Amino acid sequence: NAGVTQTPKFRILKIGQSMTLQCTQDMNHNYMYWYRQDPGMGLKLIYYSVGAGITDKGEVPNGYNVSRSTTEDFPLRLELAAPSQTSVYFCASRPGRGGNEQFFGPGTRLTVL
Amino acid sequence: QQQVKQSPQSLIVQKGGISIINCAYENTAFDYFPWYQQFPGKGPALLIAIRPDVSEKKEGRFTISFNKSAKQFSLHIMDSQPGDSATYFCAAKTGANNLFFGTGTRLTVIP
Repeated sequence: NAGVTQTPKFRILKIGQSMTLQCTQDMNHNYMYWYRQDPGMGLKLIYYSVGAGITDKGEVPNGYNVSRSTTEDFPLRLELAAPSQTSVYFCASRPGRGGNEQFFGPGTRLTVL
Repeated sequence: QQQVKQSPQSLIVQKGGISIINCAYENTAFDYFPWYQQFPGKGPALLIAIRPDVSEKKEGRFTISFNKSAKQFSLHIMDSQPGDSATYFCAAKTGANNLFFGTGTRLTVIP
């Protein structure tokens, strides 16, 4: 199993550009999450999904969108990039019932200039 | 508003010493308290976790102490090793799905 994979690893965007951060997991997990990590702030939840076709907002959803068309994939979309979105983004997944452990991907470092 | 407060921000410990990281929370609905370990350039990985009906959990050199009445929990790393140098995050989960993370502690173990 590859676990949770994220692409790209690094990206530089200009203000106003858009992009999609990709996240895939091969563990057949129902729950998937997107977090952003800023220095000294810990991880903040952006969006999460409890299964294909179901998504919901986390603590910091503004400026982002998600979709969940399959169990495996949970892409995060930035429509109009802003400097405040400069961060490291982590995708995570967990099995669901009986499994609280979240498995994290390696992260995407995004810089908006 | 930070749901889980973590201290210290950074910690330097001699090899063989004890590392202690503390966290506090207010929301009594939290029902699961994990600690995650993160190495530079990597995603966080679960280290150890506890439920509020248990006061202590030990796994090898790592121990969580949980004080439900004080709404505090802590991570103790015994016989700290240079390989333990990493950032540690405490977290708490509600009955729903969401993990709320502390702000992290950067641990450096000096040989």
